[in-house]
Amino acid sequence: DQQVKQNSPSLSVQEGRISILNCDYTNSMFDYFLWYKKYPAEGPTFLISISSIKDKNEDGRFTVFLNKSAKHLSLHIVPSQPGDSAVYFCAASGANFGNEKLTFGTGTRLTIIP
Amino acid sequence: SQTIHQWPATLVQPVGSPLSLECTVEGTSNPNLYWYRQAAGRGLQLLFYSVGIGQISSEVPQNLSASRPQDRQFILSSKKLLLSDSGFYLCAWSVLSGNNSPLHFGNGTRLTVT
Repeated sequence: DQQVKQNSPSLSVQEGRISILNCDYTNSMFDYFLWYKKYPAEGPTFLISISSIKDKNEDGRFTVFLNKSAKHLSLHIVPSQPGDSAVYFCAASGANFGNEKLTFGTGTRLTIIP
Repeated sequence: SQTIHQWPATLVQPVGSPLSLECTVEGTSNPNLYWYRQAAGRGLQLLFYSVGIGQISSEVPQNLSASRPQDRQFILSSKKLLLSDSGFYLCAWSVLSGNNSPLHFGNGTRLTVT
């Protein structure tokens, strides 16, 4: 049972434009959400997070939006740069699951076209 | 600063052979430690996590085991590998006492069971 879903396995975006990566979750007990970025042959690196008490969190070119009623979050990257080409994982956790455990989605491969 | 070391980077092992992957963390004390696996076309699956020496929680029943002989050392083992054990294994740590603290991953081990 995939509780965190990233339905787009891949996405291509022109350099300078906005990249929007989507994530859906099924369990309403999740209350903390994170995005990780992964380059080939490397471990994922933490990018940005959002708590369920917020609907938006911004850090430089990266913004995460949370729609709790739709159980949906998205990561916006603007402007997109070639170095943003990577696999992006959405992850979720919650007090009822033990805050130390994350449930990951299957990832979206983002390719930025120069 | 904290660093995490994971080795080997790649490993090819025959079916039925044993496995030992090691992970060490530097620059922090009492971390939560994790083993994740990324199988082809799938997300990151939590295998084991540990909140202290000798304390191991298993998320997925399988022929793998984990041990934490020292505070900052986490070992993933198997007595007899299966073909289905092939994948990308990632060790990670997080702050023990911080709720919703991000995971910090090592660079992973690519295991191919032949």
